[in-house]
Amino acid sequence: SQQGEEDPQALSIQEGENATMNCSYKTSINNLQWYRQNSGRGLVHLILIRSNEREKHSGRLRVTLDTSKKSSSLLITASRAADTASYFCATDPMDSSYKLIFGSGTRLLVRP
Amino acid sequence: DGGITQSPKYLFRKEGQNVTLSCEQNLNHDAMYWYRQDPGQGLRLIYYSQIVNDFQKGDIAEGYSVSREKKESFPLTVTSAQKNPTAFYLCASSFFGDRPNNEQFFGPGTRLTVL
Repeated sequence: SQQGEEDPQALSIQEGENATMNCSYKTSINNLQWYRQNSGRGLVHLILIRSNEREKHSGRLRVTLDTSKKSSSLLITASRAADTASYFCATDPMDSSYKLIFGSGTRLLVRP
Repeated sequence: DGGITQSPKYLFRKEGQNVTLSCEQNLNHDAMYWYRQDPGQGLRLIYYSQIVNDFQKGDIAEGYSVSREKKESFPLTVTSAQKNPTAFYLCASSFFGDRPNNEQFFGPGTRLTVL
C-alpha cells in the first residue's frame, strides 16, 4: 500500500501564482523526498528533508515537514508554465531496507 | 556523460511472450530498482537490488523476474505469468548505505503495451 498520499490530486493555477501540494504518510520516517515527473518521462529529484528538519528551501521550492502530524507540503512560488508536471512525495520509512515509498502524486497545470 | 538509461523506449508484446527491459547506469550506484507506473498513478516497487548477485521482491513481484550479474545492469523480464503488463516501467538507482541522502536517480522509462 502507498505510504504517502498527496493532496490535491490535481491543481490548476495561473502563471505567477503559488502552488501548494501536501503529502501525508503513516509511519516514522528517516527522510521525505519530493520528485517531479514530466509527462511520459522519468522522475527527477527535487528536494530531500530529513526527519529532524522542519523547513527547507531550494530556489522557488519550499518544503515543510511536520513529523507530529506525519505530513509535508511543497510550495512552488511564482509558478511558470514549465512547472507543469506531476509531483510525488516519497518517504524513507525507518523500518524499511532503503526502499522509498511513493505517493500517488499531484498533477499540476500552470496556465500561461 | 553519467546517467541511467533504459531501452527500448517503447515495447510491444504479444500475449504469452516474455520480454526483457534493459536498465544500465554508470553512476557507480550500488542499489537499483524497478517500478511500475499505471496511468494517473504513483510508482509501485517490483524488485530491488542492493548489491550484485542479490535482489529482493518489492510489492508487486509476481510475473516479473530480474538478475543483477553486474553492478551497472539490472534487467527486468516481464513473463507471460504477468496478466496485465501494459504499463510504464521505470528503473532507478541510488547509493546504498547513504541513508540520509538516498536520492534515487531515474531512467527515462519504457512503455510496454500488450497487443
